[in-house]
Amino acid sequence: ETGVTQTPRHLVMGMTNKKSLKCEQHLGHNAMYWYKQSAKKPLELMFVYNFKEQTENNSVPSRFSPECPNSSHLFLHLHTLQPEDSALYLCASSQGTGRGGRDTQYFGPGTRLTVL
Amino acid sequence: AQKVTQAQTEISVVEKEDVTLDCVYETRDTTYYLFWYKQPPSGELVFLIRRNSFDEQNEISGRYSWNFQKSTSSFNFTITASQVVDSAVYFCALSEAGTGANNLFFGTGTRLTVIP
Repeated sequence: ETGVTQTPRHLVMGMTNKKSLKCEQHLGHNAMYWYKQSAKKPLELMFVYNFKEQTENNSVPSRFSPECPNSSHLFLHLHTLQPEDSALYLCASSQGTGRGGRDTQYFGPGTRLTVL
Repeated sequence: AQKVTQAQTEISVVEKEDVTLDCVYETRDTTYYLFWYKQPPSGELVFLIRRNSFDEQNEISGRYSWNFQKSTSSFNFTITASQVVDSAVYFCALSEAGTGANNLFFGTGTRLTVIP
């Protein structure tokens, strides 16, 4: 199994739908992240979890709701999204908490989300 | 202000040519880390290298080499004898020890196309 997996790879949803993105890491890491990648913009960090505890929420709208049941799994629950939320959502993990900046983050292949 | 600038939006080269991707960063921290990632069409960000601010030695890995110059706040990436498989978007990123957080600041990426 490859290091960080994400499902589904592609998702099309209406603005009234509720869906969830799933991320799983097989690297034995303790920190997990959600990023949003929109066209022509730098990757945006959304959430950070260290040892299952959320440590960062970069002013993300409440229509995005993360869940981290254990250090290997991370979910992003989506509801009442807007078309501008269409993007590639990337999950990453790192060995340590990343504090001090030294830990390398390893990324999954992403979920391409389209909101109609 | 953007912490990482990749001024080259798109570059095209013919196979076997050498190509250099530029990265300029901005930070007030004395301890920081610089990264390069490759994003092929599949979407996954592939980790290439991490350097810390105290190690200015240039690095070579096969056809890849990196030139870190603190005097110009640059961390450039050179691919020698480019191949079609090198076609991807390349991201430079910075993390700072002083923020106490897990933030990776990404540039906007450089799309490299290697023409056979």
